[in-house]
Amino acid sequence: EPEVTQTPSHQVTQMGQEVILRCVPISNHLYFYWYRQILGQKVEFLVSFYNNEISEKSEIFDDQFSVERPDGSNFTLKIRSTKLEDSAMYFCASSERRTDANSPLHFGNGTRLTVT
Amino acid sequence: KNQVEQSPQSLIILEGKNCTLQCNYTVSPFSNLRWYKQDTGRGPVSLTIMTFSENTKSNGRYTATLDADTKQSSLHITASQLSDSASYICVVSASFGDKLIFGTGTRLQVFP
Repeated sequence: EPEVTQTPSHQVTQMGQEVILRCVPISNHLYFYWYRQILGQKVEFLVSFYNNEISEKSEIFDDQFSVERPDGSNFTLKIRSTKLEDSAMYFCASSERRTDANSPLHFGNGTRLTVT
Repeated sequence: KNQVEQSPQSLIILEGKNCTLQCNYTVSPFSNLRWYKQDTGRGPVSLTIMTFSENTKSNGRYTATLDADTKQSSLHITASQLSDSASYICVVSASFGDKLIFGTGTRLQVFP
């Protein structure tokens, strides 16, 4: 069964550095998402992406964050000038249709980001 | 404010027993409700999706119910197995939006 793959599985970075989290969504999916989960807390929406542009973003997704689909297969999340509170598990997800169209959302296994 | 609340926070049962997890939501306008299973350190995996017109949906030993009038849902697990040990998360999608609103989950532990 096709799956969403994320790399790396674990990323350690120093405060103030930039990181890029990478994702390969399921090939025939058109909608792409990033969510994050701080340890012990609920999963939170960051951003949705369709047709090469952001379709919706949360208040968490400020100027520090950016997303890109650099080619036909990868979907990336860039975090500039990381802060300690950015430490979390970041999940990429993809779907055939929007979430309000009752389409299953498939998640990757996440990248655990640790900012020291 | 759109919120999803779950109970209990954690649950311990013996292998072979049944259990029911609860979810209440205040998301409006409502589009659909999902139940996900999340193993420790892994991404959530979809179990069921229900729209407001669906009262129940099954996926193997998992049966979800939805009461859109009272804004409540439940997930019933039949004949539990050790592999059912995980967090079960209730997730709601609002209409005219493209994001999921997650509950805090119920941590289920199944012991032999």
